[in-house]
Amino acid sequence: GAVVSQHPSRVICKSGTSVKIECRSLDFQATTMFWYRQFPKQSLMLMATSNEGSKATYEQGVEKDKFLINHASLTLSTLTVTSAHPEDSSFYICSARRSVGATTEAFFGQGTRLTVV
Amino acid sequence: AQSVTQPDIHITVSEGASLELRCNYSYGATPYLFWYVQSPGQGLQLLLKYFSGDTLVQGIKGFEAEFKRSQSSFNLRKPSVHWSDAAEYFCAVGPLYNQGGKLIFGQGTELSVKP
Repeated sequence: GAVVSQHPSRVICKSGTSVKIECRSLDFQATTMFWYRQFPKQSLMLMATSNEGSKATYEQGVEKDKFLINHASLTLSTLTVTSAHPEDSSFYICSARRSVGATTEAFFGQGTRLTVV
Repeated sequence: AQSVTQPDIHITVSEGASLELRCNYSYGATPYLFWYVQSPGQGLQLLLKYFSGDTLVQGIKGFEAEFKRSQSSFNLRKPSVHWSDAAEYFCAVGPLYNQGGKLIFGQGTELSVKP
């Protein structure tokens, strides 16, 4: 089956520092990946669509300079939270899009718990 | 506006009892519907999905869902709940014309299972 891996699974950082989260498709190539954010006891909200070799498309209200997305290869997208603040503490989940024949499906990573202190 | 509504934030059922989690959607295009399950601190696992064909869809772990176009609903059911089913359940809708594209999630239903 398709596997999407996120690293790290948990990270604690100091306020003002930057944190990079990786999303890898382990057994397939993904031209498109998605980054979601989930607050405690709430749903997942799409932050941005990451396209290999081009700029990410951000959803309305998401600061692109704060949440830097890079999709440099067909198996890796990274999300960097710059100058993190406590309000950025959240659960971040990525998904990668895989096409096999006529079927396209998104597979989710296990998520990254970010805590900014 | 595109949206997914899960009316029940929290449901508690006894082990062995039947379960139905509700999901209603509002979507302009032909929808691709999903149910995901999330254990605490974990990512999402796909239970089942639907976009055409038989409106009763079978998924993993004994779950099924029924699509009712007239009611814009896609309710999840299980005949007999197990303690291991306790988790958060999310209904989601995506574009059929752009499969695997971005999803809109409901707010989730937390399921607790009593012994």
